Amino acid sequence: EVVMTQSPATLSVSPGERATLSCRASQSVSSNLAWYQQKPGQAPRLLIYGASTRATGIPATFSGSGSGTEFTLTITSLQSEDFAVYYCQQYDNWPRTFGQGTKVEIK
Amino acid sequence: QVQLQQWGAGLLKPSETLSLTCDVYGRAFNDYYWSWIRQPPGKGLEWIGEITDSESSNYNPSLKSRVTISVDTAKNQFSLKLTSVTAADTAVYYCAASPRLAFEGPWSYRLAYWGQGTLVTVSS
Repeated sequence: EVVMTQSPATLSVSPGERATLSCRASQSVSSNLAWYQQKPGQAPRLLIYGASTRATGIPATFSGSGSGTEFTLTITSLQSEDFAVYYCQQYDNWPRTFGQGTKVEIK
Repeated sequence: QVQLQQWGAGLLKPSETLSLTCDVYGRAFNDYYWSWIRQPPGKGLEWIGEITDSESSNYNPSLKSRVTISVDTAKNQFSLKLTSVTAADTAVYYCAASPRLAFEGPWSYRLAYWGQGTLVTVSS
């Protein structure tokens, strides 16, 4: 099983600033990685797939990068609606595994 | 635009079988990964398993002995059964779907569509 490790667990950011979230895989997953956003009481929402392709309707303030074992989700100029928990998921191998999440909170 | 509407029992006793169904509306592609994910209270996401329209399935090894995912394309729905539940199975269960696009190759996958979630509580 591929273990996905996200860091940091919590990220405190001021509105308007940039947030950089990391996701590391225990073995190479090529570019087969997705990012999801989850707000309290809601289902997760797809942000990025293929490590860097934005899903339909996702603003350009969200960008993904990386390949192999190291991935980054960058959120430029954080808005109030961006404060949430973010999960990465690899789909290169079964079982498809999620990271434990990074909570982005208001500083 | 695919919409998923899930339903099923929310309160179970230990040793009972969890049964959830997800109705699919508005499918636009020929093939999908129909998936189930769960989230224990206050914790992260756990992938349970998936099935395709051709009924090829994959399961999380940690649950494989107790899980069955099935699909009924005629009824536009897919289902989850988890046997012999315990308190550790208490979680919000989500159905989700990924289009499976041939031109993207074997790793065409993203959980773009999600159900609303069902809280399943296991308690005596």
